[in-house]
Amino acid sequence: AQSVTQPDIHITVSEGASLELRCNYSYGATPYLFWYVQSPGQGLQLLLKYFSGDTLVQGIKGFEAEFKRSQSSFNLRKPSVHWSDAAEYFCAVGEMTGFQKLVFGTGTRLLVSP
Amino acid sequence: DAEITQSPRHKITETGRQVTLACHQTWNHNNMFWYRQDLGHGLRLIHYSYGVQDTNKGEVSDGYSVSRSNTEDLPLTLESAASSQTSVYFCASQRDTGELFFGEGSRLTVL
Repeated sequence: AQSVTQPDIHITVSEGASLELRCNYSYGATPYLFWYVQSPGQGLQLLLKYFSGDTLVQGIKGFEAEFKRSQSSFNLRKPSVHWSDAAEYFCAVGEMTGFQKLVFGTGTRLLVSP
Repeated sequence: DAEITQSPRHKITETGRQVTLACHQTWNHNNMFWYRQDLGHGLRLIHYSYGVQDTNKGEVSDGYSVSRSNTEDLPLTLESAASSQTSVYFCASQRDTGELFFGEGSRLTVL
């Protein structure tokens, strides 16, 4: 069965600094990988996804993520954080064998300091 | 624009009562899901459906049921609400390319 680990519960970053949120997954084959963002009181919004091909994927709001098969990781990055990026971020993994349910990590809450 | 809507957005009920949370999507997606979100647990899958008349249990299905009589709707029913079911519930539908689209959530409090 798939599983996702987001080892950081909270991260605080200064505005303008770079950001990296960690995600490790467990799955026997090549997975579908996703990052979602959740602002307070809102549903989850898709930031980016990886299905195949180029292992560096670009998403919305200036985010990118890199799939590293050897490390079973799919870390999310942003070169310069804005105060509006403060939110909770979820990594998710799905099976490539058909359109299957996604398994989510427990989330990382990003705080942005002035 | 196509969308997914949940109702009610907030609900307070008493232990033992039956509660139904509605979920309606206008994308005509076959796959729909219900998750609950709790602090420290992220999103956990309750039930899901891959099409009309199809329903499946997720990892935390005890005490919940769903039905799928048409493509657009997947209502979630708590047969006898318990305090442990106080949570925020999210419905999602899935595009053919795998992405989930989420509703804005239903906050349920069971007293």
